[in-house]
Amino acid sequence: DTGVSQDPRHKITKRGQNVTFRCDPISEHNRLYWYRQTLGQGPEFLTYFQNEAQLEKSRLLSDRFSAERPKGSFSTLEIQRTEQGDSAMYLCASSLVAGLSTDTQYFGPGTRLTVL
Amino acid sequence: AQKVTQAQTEISVVEKEDVTLDCVYETRDTTYYLFWYKQPPSGELVFLIRRNSFDEQNEISGRYSWNFQKSTSSFNFTITASQVVDSAVYFCALKRTYKYIFGTGTRLKVLA
Repeated sequence: DTGVSQDPRHKITKRGQNVTFRCDPISEHNRLYWYRQTLGQGPEFLTYFQNEAQLEKSRLLSDRFSAERPKGSFSTLEIQRTEQGDSAMYLCASSLVAGLSTDTQYFGPGTRLTVL
Repeated sequence: AQKVTQAQTEISVVEKEDVTLDCVYETRDTTYYLFWYKQPPSGELVFLIRRNSFDEQNEISGRYSWNFQKSTSSFNFTITASQVVDSAVYFCALKRTYKYIFGTGTRLKVLA
């Protein structure tokens, strides 16, 4: 199996611009997660999908953030009107939930966003 | 409250030394899962181990071993005979329902 992939790996943008990131999960994984990681911190949960349904959004996810997983496969995370505080690493993870056993999340390499 | 504390911000050791990374967690759940991940400079979090709250057996995988103690709410990670390739940031995480709660990580530097 190929792992979780994310594109782009790096993004530099000017304040006020919109950006979109893509995540391709491990094939047949039904859950997909987005996390944000700032320097010196652990990843913080943003949102997750079960197939194409977005089931939970963190309070960290302001109205400027939107995520989609249109066909239950890849996902996009869009940030509108970026602010300098949005500068961070955005990590995607996927997992397979089957039956009653818990899932293990496998992470992608992340997209590092720098807002100037 | 759910919380994971990794008090060691950075540890430096010389190659072949043993090193233990500490993880203390807080949860009111009776069923929970704990994880360790490695984050090398490339940025990708690499899964190392998962442990559920009902299994307190220690685990060994090659040079890695984990000590889970519910009585002290700790899940410590030991690397035996460290190598330069072990240099990375290591995260401990607590899983509650669907999401992970991560600690702030411990940066391990293994010097040749």
